[in-house]
Amino acid sequence: EVQLVESGGALVQPGGSLRLSCAASGFSFSSHYMSWVRQAPGKGLEWVAIIAQDGSDQHYVDSVRGRFTISRDNAENSLYLQMDGLGPDDTAVYFCAAFGTSSGWLDPWGQGALVTVSS
Amino acid sequence: DIQMTQSPSSVSASVGDRVTITCRASQVISSYLAWYQQKPGKAPKLLIFLASKLQSGVPPRFGGSESGTDFTLTINNLQPEDSATYFCQQAKSFPLSFGGGTKVEIK
Repeated sequence: EVQLVESGGALVQPGGSLRLSCAASGFSFSSHYMSWVRQAPGKGLEWVAIIAQDGSDQHYVDSVRGRFTISRDNAENSLYLQMDGLGPDDTAVYFCAAFGTSSGWLDPWGQGALVTVSS
Repeated sequence: DIQMTQSPSSVSASVGDRVTITCRASQVISSYLAWYQQKPGKAPKLLIFLASKLQSGVPPRFGGSESGTDFTLTINNLQPEDSATYFCQQAKSFPLSFGGGTKVEIK
């Protein structure tokens, strides 16, 4: 079964840090770009970051560049998002998803991890 | 960066109706557009990729088309289980971007 499972979501104070993880199974993780997408409560989808198969290419949305770092461990079939300098606007459900480079789709998706930034 | 403008933001229709949702890209994206369906509390589900190609397992009442920088998702013969929010997403270039979403409600 193709599956992505996020973990690490939590309540964190403004200015704090958090690391999200995404465990992949059932597909060739190391062959895919991998991405993070977030959704603030009651809002739409916002793409956050993406990383190439070997980690050599990374892109970020402007609002997180310099604060968030995407990484991966192909030996562990895992994707990570290190989030530093968190602010209330970062409160969201964070989804990991595989990116199909030939056609640009995001599929499959994980179930999401809730990050709440509040004092 | 490429902006995606999606309309309408919500639509209410009856079972059996046809629903049309539009996304306009701020620049040429060729056919690099996908559509997703999201139900409350769930992850988005890929419906259509490359503007008009139906993802495996998606009912054929869903269809996609393009005209220049305008893209359309059509739901024919609307069913109760189609009640959801729909998003478009461009994949022409990074940063990837989504439309604002369209909430489809069943009357």
